[in-house]
Amino acid sequence: DAGVTQSPTHLIKTRGQQVTLRCSPKSGHDTVSWYQQALGQGPQFIFQYYEEEERQRGNFPDRFSGHQFPNYSSELNVNALLLGDSALYLCASSSYTDRVLNEQFFGPGTRLTVL
Amino acid sequence: GEDVEQSLFLSVREGDSSVINCTYTDSSSTYLYWYKQEPGAGLQLLTYIFSNMDMKQDQRLTVLLNKKDKHLSLRIADTQTGDSAIYFCAESIKSSGSARQLTFGSGTQLTVLP
Repeated sequence: DAGVTQSPTHLIKTRGQQVTLRCSPKSGHDTVSWYQQALGQGPQFIFQYYEEEERQRGNFPDRFSGHQFPNYSSELNVNALLLGDSALYLCASSSYTDRVLNEQFFGPGTRLTVL
Repeated sequence: GEDVEQSLFLSVREGDSSVINCTYTDSSSTYLYWYKQEPGAGLQLLTYIFSNMDMKQDQRLTVLLNKKDKHLSLRIADTQTGDSAIYFCAESIKSSGSARQLTFGSGTQLTVLP
């Protein structure tokens, strides 16, 4: 049983470019959350998707957008990249029926470097 | 507001007990969690505690919750070098509808000395 997978592992972009990160949830999970983890910090919640809709959003600008597909996989898009967007981007999956416990399983992350 | 605070560093000798502390702010949190992150890796859920419990034990891990003071701790018995990692506490906050999000602390770097 594959856990949460993310691609790519590493990515280097320049300021102003756009990037798309991908995530496949753990088998049996239907909810995907995205987090940004800057160096030396804890993960910061970006948004959560369920039933192909954004259900809640953290304090991130509209440059950050996402999508969820019918197979529950998800993409995170960031437009007009800034140097400050350099971070580890983590995807976590969970089950909506288990939303009170909110047990989230994390992928290994995508390391984004903006030059 | 939402804020989870942890001390940044902890060093212990192999075989000793480690205690990592955390304070949180949202009294409506139903569950609180401890995650472990090894270098270059994602987060691994170690354990969680329901907010109406005071203590939970899981093998070498003991979680203590003081809901009045909003204080959470993780005790690792017989700490091993493989326990060296960053430990995050997190609370689950209800935001909109039935959706909940995790809010993390900044992490505690645990170093186990031989």
